[in-house]
Amino acid sequence: KAGVTQTPRYLIKTRGQQVTLSCSPISGHRSVSWYQQTPGQGLQFLFEYFSETQRNKGNFPGRFSGRQFSNSRSEMNVSTLELGDSALYLCASSLAGVVRGETQYFGPGTRLLVL
Amino acid sequence: AQSVTQPDIHITVSEGASLELRCNYSYGATPYLFWYVQSPGQGLQLLLKYFSGDTLVQGIKGFEAEFKRSQSSFNLRKPSVHWSDAAEYFCAVAAVSGTYKYIFGTGTRLKVLA
Repeated sequence: KAGVTQTPRYLIKTRGQQVTLSCSPISGHRSVSWYQQTPGQGLQFLFEYFSETQRNKGNFPGRFSGRQFSNSRSEMNVSTLELGDSALYLCASSLAGVVRGETQYFGPGTRLLVL
Repeated sequence: AQSVTQPDIHITVSEGASLELRCNYSYGATPYLFWYVQSPGQGLQLLLKYFSGDTLVQGIKGFEAEFKRSQSSFNLRKPSVHWSDAAEYFCAVAAVSGTYKYIFGTGTRLKVLA
């Protein structure tokens, strides 16, 4: 069974631009979560989507948004990029979500650099 | 509020030596606990998890962890470290605070000396 895939793997953008990241979960998984990883803040939860609905949301500004499609693939969008948005963005999938500690399987991440 | 603390930011051990990585959590109920490993430039790989039952959990790559409720700890151990174990290790708790989410520790970076 194929793992979680994320595209692109690397991105360079400039301040003020917007970016869209994509995540394809493991086949059969309906939950997709997104995390931001930075050296200073560590791993921070962005949001979780389940069956095309946002179920959980972390403490990030509205510039960060996402969506999930009927095939469970998910996209994350960041508008009006700031330097501080430079990070590794990780996607994780699970069968039914972070319910009672269900295991999440992580993709390799998209490394975003904002200049 | 739920939290996870990994007190050691960096640890260096010699190859063949034993290893213990510390993890303490703060959570009102019995937590669901995980250890993940991240190699440079890679995503996170699950090493092991604790939900309930036996407090000593066996994982992949020869790792084990022990849940100690009285100490609110879930320390990761390996009896003999290999050079390929050099990576960053994250402890996480699945917590409920209105909604379910994962809370990660800040990570421990392991260096292995040949």
